[in-house]
Amino acid sequence: SSELTQDPAVSVALGQTVKITCQGDRFRTFYSSWYQQRPGQAPVLVIYGENNRPSGIPDRFSGSRSGDTVSLTITGAQAEDEADYYCNSRDSRGETWVFGGGTKLTVL
Amino acid sequence: EQQLVESGGGLVQPGGSLRVSCKASGFSFGRFKLNWVRQAPGKGLQWVSYISGSGETIYYADSVKGRFTVSRDNADNSLVLHMNSLMAEDTAIYYCARESGERRTWYFDLWGRGTLVSVSS
Repeated sequence: SSELTQDPAVSVALGQTVKITCQGDRFRTFYSSWYQQRPGQAPVLVIYGENNRPSGIPDRFSGSRSGDTVSLTITGAQAEDEADYYCNSRDSRGETWVFGGGTKLTVL
Repeated sequence: EQQLVESGGGLVQPGGSLRVSCKASGFSFGRFKLNWVRQAPGKGLQWVSYISGSGETIYYADSVKGRFTVSRDNADNSLVLHMNSLMAEDTAIYYCARESGERRTWYFDLWGRGTLVSVSS
């Protein structure tokens, strides 16, 4: 079982806001990052650190943290946002990484 | 363009060995830490191994420790994962991923397309 816990599936109506969460005590030491993976494609980094977006990632993607839970929020979800989303973080000693189990986002 | 390209995947029998590679281009290879991440069919992402920019520091997931060996050649811009004693559970797409960041903020900012390793008799 994963040490980072995500809901397996979430749905959102087109144009609405959705929050995908990830729970784990690793976030007390290291910030999390979020990855989008569309079917048949490699993962893509969408959020890292406190709330940073790599170049080319739309500003409708944002990140936040509250205690042991980090969240990825998509404000005004688009059809192309339908994908699997994974959180990850390092362990407290910085030696290993762990991914959450992934959340399948459906845009209705 | 910054790029990572994996190769070497294929079908191997249980107990066999395989070597997968990752070739980098478009960035200063030796400055970056690298990781292997795998994904079994229909499953989520699983971290496999880490190697520092110099190659001096290496970590493995418990599930592959003692069976897999990671190495890099900074002169050739290449990363290699030697896999021994392969099991059916090792069947997955293997991605190499570049690690960036500092202090408390670390992330995988560049991924290859992956190479499929299938372990079956």
